[in-house]
Amino acid sequence: DAGITQSPRYKITETGRQVTLMCHQTWSHSYMFWYRQDLGHGLRLIYYSAAADITDKGEVPDGYVVSRSKTENFPLTLESATRSQTSVYFCASSEGDSYEQYFGPGTRLTVT
Amino acid sequence: AQKVTQAQTEISVVEKEDVTLDCVYETRDTTYYLFWYKQPPSGELVFLIRRNSFDEQNEISGRYSWNFQKSTSSFNFTITASQVVDSAVYFCALSDLRLTGGGNKLTFGTGTQLKVEL
Repeated sequence: DAGITQSPRYKITETGRQVTLMCHQTWSHSYMFWYRQDLGHGLRLIYYSAAADITDKGEVPDGYVVSRSKTENFPLTLESATRSQTSVYFCASSEGDSYEQYFGPGTRLTVT
Repeated sequence: AQKVTQAQTEISVVEKEDVTLDCVYETRDTTYYLFWYKQPPSGELVFLIRRNSFDEQNEISGRYSWNFQKSTSSFNFTITASQVVDSAVYFCALSDLRLTGGGNKLTFGTGTQLKVEL
């Protein structure tokens, strides 16, 4: 039972490049989320999805794009990476309304 | 707006001491959920507990216990007889049930770093 996985686990990219972070869950959870974790800020929601083809912005969506064509996948794309997007990114999924969220192992992204 | 405050940035204790991590929240919702997560040095986020706003009973799970007090908007977490393996960052989170299509966005506190030393 793999649960929720993220790839890559570590990524270094240059300013201006496009980069996609992958998230895959095997539970068939309806809800999926992307957070970023920065020192002093805790975790902040970037985008979320209530079901396939339904996505919406979170607290810090600027510079990011998401899609969800299949229930199990929720990729996050940085269209033109900036140094301020250097962070640890966590994907999470949840069975339904008010349920706890389960997190992937995280992707550490460095933008040089 | 939802807000979660974890005023203790870092706590250091000696093994076997009891320690309480504070969490204070703000919400206008009458129905909401509170969570605690643990982030050990390896970096993953581990779910510990979920509590809904209508259930103010304290909960105990082994060495862990949680005290939910609606009157003071607090949801504190106590570790009894702490161990080195408890060293981690602990996050308190509050749910927001008003997302498009339902679902709960979590608002996280900034975390408390707990260091348990021998």
